[in-house]
Amino acid sequence: GENVEQHPSTLSVQEGDSAVIKCTYSDSASNYFPWYKQELGKGPQLIIDIRSNVGEKKDQRIAVTLNKTAKHFSLHITETQPEDSAVYFCAGWRTGNQFYFGTGTSLTVIP
Amino acid sequence: GAVVSQHPSRVICKSGTSVKIECRSLDFQATTMFWYRQFPKQSLMLMATSNEGSKATYEQGVEKDKFLINHASLTLSTLTVTSAHPEDSSFYICSARNPGTEGWGYTFGSGTRLTVV
Repeated sequence: GENVEQHPSTLSVQEGDSAVIKCTYSDSASNYFPWYKQELGKGPQLIIDIRSNVGEKKDQRIAVTLNKTAKHFSLHITETQPEDSAVYFCAGWRTGNQFYFGTGTSLTVIP
Repeated sequence: GAVVSQHPSRVICKSGTSVKIECRSLDFQATTMFWYRQFPKQSLMLMATSNEGSKATYEQGVEKDKFLINHASLTLSTLTVTSAHPEDSSFYICSARNPGTEGWGYTFGSGTRLTVV
């Protein structure tokens, strides 16, 4: 089955700096890679996603890049703000299968 | 956008009792819903896939007689934790897919914090 590794497990950045979180997947047939933001005591919220036929996707301060050859994808948050502080999960998914979540990254943005 | 409502958000129950958690898709129909469990500072672990009108599919290691799932309609799935024990204390999250949304359209509920005392 699929295995998704996520790094780092914790990340602290100064407000205004960029944050990068990386995930590596094992199933080459995975074709959808969402990123979720989870605030304390709440369910995950989709912040951005990318399909395997796209190499990069951007939505304002958030971007995701995908390298299918290396089987890894990354979340990039620019101009970080304190409200970006949360736990971020990556996931891999293959059509007809299920989501496999990464282990999560606790991001702290220091004002 | 698609909304998945989960109720209750928090519940405390005594050991040995049963607790029911509801997951509703508010503005779309979901033939399939998913139930996850999340322990503190850990990732989401899929427990089971709830299928409308048929039996749920449980992941390996999840006791189907302990975690009863009923997907009685296209907008409601329930998870009942039977004979709850303190080790069942966890954060339970449901998810559903809205085929009408961009991308794969999976939306998560807000979660239920279960504490068994």
